Amino acid sequence: AQKVTQAQTEISVVEKEDVTLDCVYETRDTTYYLFWYKQPPSGELVFLIRRNSFDEQNEISGRYSWNFQKSTSSFNFTITASQVVDSAVYFCALSEFSGGYNKLIFGAGTRLAVHP
Amino acid sequence: KAGVTQTPRYLIKTRGQQVTLSCSPISGHRSVSWYQQTPGQGLQFLFEYFSETQRNKGNFPGRFSGRQFSNSRSEMNVSTLELGDSALYLCASSSGLAGAGPTDTQYFGPGTRLTVL
Repeated sequence: AQKVTQAQTEISVVEKEDVTLDCVYETRDTTYYLFWYKQPPSGELVFLIRRNSFDEQNEISGRYSWNFQKSTSSFNFTITASQVVDSAVYFCALSEFSGGYNKLIFGAGTRLAVHP
Repeated sequence: KAGVTQTPRYLIKTRGQQVTLSCSPISGHRSVSWYQQTPGQGLQFLFEYFSETQRNKGNFPGRFSGRQFSNSRSEMNVSTLELGDSALYLCASSSGLAGAGPTDTQYFGPGTRLTVL
């Protein structure tokens, strides 16, 4: 069973539009962490946020915000007023206590294209 | 602080050969993890090393191996290369001191793109 599902394969928006990237996860663990990473064309995965399973507070960082809802096993990512530099592939990832040390389970990724 | 570095950035090999990839973690980080990224399978965990010991392993055949040195630098080796091994290999480092489980944040390098002909 897929543990991290990013149903949106590709999203295309025009600059300044808001966009939400969906992430649904599956785990039996009570202790786990969720992450978002950005992968620009250069290939390096850039860390954006980490959220633990006991902290359901939403978080905002500049134009980025994250909505964590345990009731629906979702950890969605919203970019407000998108910019061309936001174009990249975005990955949601899960790290479970039962998975052992430092094992990230990634979703398939969502490719975001922001057009001028 | 300098980020995670990986060498070489690009590599072309032929089937049956073996290859060694190198990763230098962020200064002070003692954990190094390796991931394989392919269009078909996405990002998959290979293994994790801390203090020269493999602490965790993904579901890859024994042709994939790794090691870590006392300075925390890590290498991964793929023997008897197959066409399906063509991928971007990403290395990630973290402090490794957060204890068992998922609490570390991993920071990734730029990757080594391996092409097997």
